[in-house]
Amino acid sequence: QQPVQSPQAVILREGEDAVINCSSSKALYSVHWYRQKHGEAPVFLMILLKGGEQKGHEKISASFNEKKQQSSLYLTASQLSYSGTYFCGTGGSNYKLTFGKGTLLTVNP
Amino acid sequence: NAGVTQTPKFRILKIGQSMTLQCTQDMNHNYMYWYRQDPGMGLKLIYYSVGAGITDKGEVPNGYNVSRSTTEDFPLRLELAAPSQTSVYFCASTYARDSGGQETQYFGPGTRLLVL
Repeated sequence: QQPVQSPQAVILREGEDAVINCSSSKALYSVHWYRQKHGEAPVFLMILLKGGEQKGHEKISASFNEKKQQSSLYLTASQLSYSGTYFCGTGGSNYKLTFGKGTLLTVNP
Repeated sequence: NAGVTQTPKFRILKIGQSMTLQCTQDMNHNYMYWYRQDPGMGLKLIYYSVGAGITDKGEVPNGYNVSRSTTEDFPLRLELAAPSQTSVYFCASTYARDSGGQETQYFGPGTRLLVL
């Protein structure tokens, strides 16, 4: 089942913060976050694993609530380069990911 | 390393035609995936492979076939193309360890397919 992302879209001014949420109805083993710019491939941001392990870029932070089956991506002091569509992918132990529909983030000067 | 490469970048097909989308990775990854992306719908898994000779269906396999004869290559075959297969197709790969550790999926640049 496809995870639900919220909000669907958000518009920021440079320097503002944003939170993108990802919620699943299934028990999760991992949550993966990707950013995709228009016409390009998704690019890895972060993995959050059951048990607390995280792998990702230093400037990106996220949380994973295993009991609630939810994850949040925190974007602070946004830059123009943060614009794009953010996808969460939820995974079990079989290395297959189910992606949400995405959150379109627009950062304006 | 070139990473994950896909060919062609863009293709127009007529209804009923067939084609193969090529995907190659040079990272010695064991897992490979094919996704399709429709506007506003996220990425849907078509097929995946856990190693040479082993493939399995994803969420939306109908109308597609795959093979994995080598670690590097994972072609996707479209038989009897239909307008519903108009989409952007992404190939991805990852290295999955037996210990269960999760690693990032690396995506290719995509193939845009238009079926008319």
